[in-house]
Amino acid sequence: AQSVTQLGSHVSVSEGALVLLRCNYSSSVPPYLFWYVQYPNQGLQLLLKYTSAATLVKGINGFEAEFKKSETSFHLTKPSAHMSDAAEYFCAVSVRTDKLIFGTGTRLQVFP
Amino acid sequence: AAGVIQSPRHLIKEKRETATLKCYPIPRHDTVYWYQQGPGQDPQFLISFYEKMQSDKGSIPDRFSAQQFSDYHSELNMSSLELGDSALYFCASSDSTGGSGQPQHFGDGTRLSIL
Repeated sequence: AQSVTQLGSHVSVSEGALVLLRCNYSSSVPPYLFWYVQYPNQGLQLLLKYTSAATLVKGINGFEAEFKKSETSFHLTKPSAHMSDAAEYFCAVSVRTDKLIFGTGTRLQVFP
Repeated sequence: AAGVIQSPRHLIKEKRETATLKCYPIPRHDTVYWYQQGPGQDPQFLISFYEKMQSDKGSIPDRFSAQQFSDYHSELNMSSLELGDSALYFCASSDSTGGSGQPQHFGDGTRLSIL
């Protein structure tokens, strides 16, 4: 069975600081990994995806994530936080059937 | 670009009533997924359809049913509604022609409130 663990339900950073949101996965087969962002009262927007082509994945809004098989991790980073990055971030895994299994989410707060 | 359209955006029902949620996928997407997101929770997979056939089933109550129609839109039917059914219901669609692992594109959801 597949699962995702997001360490830290809340992360707070200052505007301009590095953003690091942690995600570890468990899967018996090579996984597909995704990061989604959810703004209040909105749907989930795809930030980026890993599908085995490259371990360092660049997404929208300056975010990127690195797949590390040895650490079973897929952490999301952004060099410089912006106020507009404040949102809920979900890491998700899928395998053959493509249904997404989500982590419990990390709420990012950005302070001026 | 066209996105996933869900209707209605908000729905208020009373216990034991029925509700129908509609989803219109992105054009040429052949797979539709339904998810339920409770307050402060992560989305939970309910059911999916590929080319109008059920392709996978998750933690969907027997009181719920869903189908995908010939025009690829999907409906989630919910009966004997309970207070615990209050949640945000998302539909997502993807194009499977590229193989497994295609990203799912989500609608803005239907917020269902049970009184």
